[in-house]
Amino acid sequence: DAKTTQPNSMESNEEEPVHLPCNHSTISGTDYIHWYRQLPSQGPEYVIHGLTSNVNNRMASLAIAEDRKSSTLILHRATLRDAAVYYCILKSGGGADGLTFGKGTHLIIQP
Amino acid sequence: DAGVIQSPRHEVTEMGQEVTLRCKPISGHDYLFWYRQTMMRGLELLIYFNNNVPIDDSGMPEDRFSAKMPNASFSTLKIQPSEPRDSAVYFCASRLGPSPYYEQYFGPGTRLTVT
Repeated sequence: DAKTTQPNSMESNEEEPVHLPCNHSTISGTDYIHWYRQLPSQGPEYVIHGLTSNVNNRMASLAIAEDRKSSTLILHRATLRDAAVYYCILKSGGGADGLTFGKGTHLIIQP
Repeated sequence: DAGVIQSPRHEVTEMGQEVTLRCKPISGHDYLFWYRQTMMRGLELLIYFNNNVPIDDSGMPEDRFSAKMPNASFSTLKIQPSEPRDSAVYFCASRLGPSPYYEQYFGPGTRLTVT
C-alpha cells in the first residue's frame, strides 16, 4: 500500500470545525482512502472512506483533492469525545489485506 | 449486534506460561484479523482469516505465536511460551466483505502483561 503523511498532532477548540490533512503523493488509481480513529484505551474505529468524490457520513466528511494526492478529514463540530489519534490509510483491492497503520495525528480538543 | 467481542480484557501472566486470547467476530463477517499494538511499533497486523482459513500469517512474530479459527464465530491467538516482550494490547477485528470496499470493526482489545 502507498505511504501517507500526517501531522503528528493538532489542537482545536470544542464546537469548532477541524480539518485533518493527509498527503499521499504516490497514491495509485485503485487506492481507496480510509480514515480510522482510536480513542484512548479503545480499539480503532472506522470513520469514513472514499475513492475520488467527496464523501459525507454522520461522523465526518472526506474531501479529496482533484489529483488525489491529498485528502482532508473534516469534523464539522468537534466535541471533547473526538479527541483521538486519527489514521489515514490507503487500501487497494489487490495485494496484502489488513490495514497498515502509521503514526497518525493526535487530535487534542480544548474545552 | 454486540460488535467484536474479545476475552479476557486483561491478562497478567508469568514468563514461560501459555496465553490464549479469544475473539468472537460480528456475525456474518467473512474476514477476521489479529493486530498487536505497542508503544514502540504501533499497530501491526499479525494474521488474518477469510472464511475461517488463514490467508496471511507473515506478521506473526515467531513460532511461539499461533492462531486458529475453528468456526465462523470463534478465533484464538495463542502464545506459548510467553515472554515479557509479548506485552502489548492485542486487537481482533472483523470485516463483512473484501477490501477496500468494506470497513473493519475492532474489538476492545486484550491488554497482555508478561512478567
